[in-house]
Amino acid sequence: EAGVVQSPRYKIIEKKQPVAFWCNPISGHNTLYWYRQNLGQGPELLIRYENEEAVDDSQLPKDRFSAERLKGVDSTLKIQPAELGDSAVYLCASSSPGQGYGTQYFGPGTRLLVL
Amino acid sequence: KQEVTQIPAALSVPEGENLVLNCSFTDSAIYNLQWFRQDPGKGLTSLLLIQSSQREQTSGRLNASLDKSSGRSTLYIAASQPGDSATYLCAVTPSGNTGKLIFGQGTTLQVKP
Repeated sequence: EAGVVQSPRYKIIEKKQPVAFWCNPISGHNTLYWYRQNLGQGPELLIRYENEEAVDDSQLPKDRFSAERLKGVDSTLKIQPAELGDSAVYLCASSSPGQGYGTQYFGPGTRLLVL
Repeated sequence: KQEVTQIPAALSVPEGENLVLNCSFTDSAIYNLQWFRQDPGKGLTSLLLIQSSQREQTSGRLNASLDKSSGRSTLYIAASQPGDSATYLCAVTPSGNTGKLIFGQGTTLQVKP
């Protein structure tokens, strides 16, 4: 079974530029999560999708961040414009209802550096 | 607001030593607690998951305990090996929001040959 796929793996941009991250969850997983992990910290949830619906986006900075999951499968997270403080690892995870609360499968992440 | 804290932030031990990683949380209203492992450049892998009604879980050389009333969990690693070098993260699932994981900041472990 293929795991959660994320691309790109690394991205370097200058501040004020836009950037987008892509995630393909495990086949059949209807719940998808985006996390941000700052250096030396644990991941923090940005947004959670149940199929196409964003059911928890309370931690998403909506002035510059946006996300979509149009067909309930792949998802894209966008930052526009990027700021220096956005440098972090962006992790995508997915889960299935029958696996129990808290069971999430994580992708390798996209490491973003904003110069 | 639930907060999860891990101590120490970093730990270096010689190979073969037994060690304990600590995790504390401020709100005892949790559904479960997990310990994850994170290797550089890779995603998180769940090691052990303890339901709120359980006291401990074991997998191989790993043993995790949970004391919900005091807001504490420990991860015990027996006979450490260089391959155990990684960052270990503790995370809780809040009872009031079972779709969420709240993580500690992690403990980076180095096991020296």
